[in-house]
Amino acid sequence: EVQLVESGGGLVQPGGSLRLSCAASGFTFSSYWMHWVRQAPGKGLVWVSHVNTDGSSTTYADSVKGRFTISRDNAKNTLYLQMNSLRAEDTAVYFCAGGGPGACFNYWGQGALVTVSS
Amino acid sequence: EIVMTQSPATLSVSPGERATLSCRASQSVSSKLAWYQQKPGQAPRLLIYGASTRATGIPARFSGSGSGTEFTLTISSLQSEDFAVYYCQQYNNWPPWTFGQGTKVEIK
Repeated sequence: EVQLVESGGGLVQPGGSLRLSCAASGFTFSSYWMHWVRQAPGKGLVWVSHVNTDGSSTTYADSVKGRFTISRDNAKNTLYLQMNSLRAEDTAVYFCAGGGPGACFNYWGQGALVTVSS
Repeated sequence: EIVMTQSPATLSVSPGERATLSCRASQSVSSKLAWYQQKPGQAPRLLIYGASTRATGIPARFSGSGSGTEFTLTISSLQSEDFAVYYCQQYNNWPPWTFGQGTKVEIK
């Protein structure tokens, strides 16, 4: 059974940092591009970032570029998102998702809530 | 960036009826269009990829069509478990991968 389990969410003050993790199992993690997608309360899905299979290539949405860093550890089957300089508008549920190269997202985690508030 | 526009925002349908959801891309995405279903408090689930191919385990009452800029998701006979929000997504021109704003299918 495919599983993606996010952790590391929580409440953080504006300007603070947080690191999300996504533990994968049930599929060949190292063969999949991995993504972070977020959903603000009551809103739609917004793609945040992607990393290719070996971690050598990453891309970001303009809204998080320079503040967020995506990475992966294929030996640990784990995806990460380091989030710095957090803003109130970053408040959302963050989903990790996996798909083929340049493809849509076959697998999704259950999400981790990040709340940025003083 | 390719903008995806879904219509209608909300669709009220009775169980057993057909539902037709639309998705338009601001420029051609060929057939690189996916549909996802999301229920409250849950992760999205892939329904359709390649505009018309059902993902593993998706019932035959879900069908997708279209290419270029105009796409449709049809649910032939709505079941109680189908009431949810549906999103389209293009994966032809990235980054970014872009989603529509969603269509909520509610019970009439």
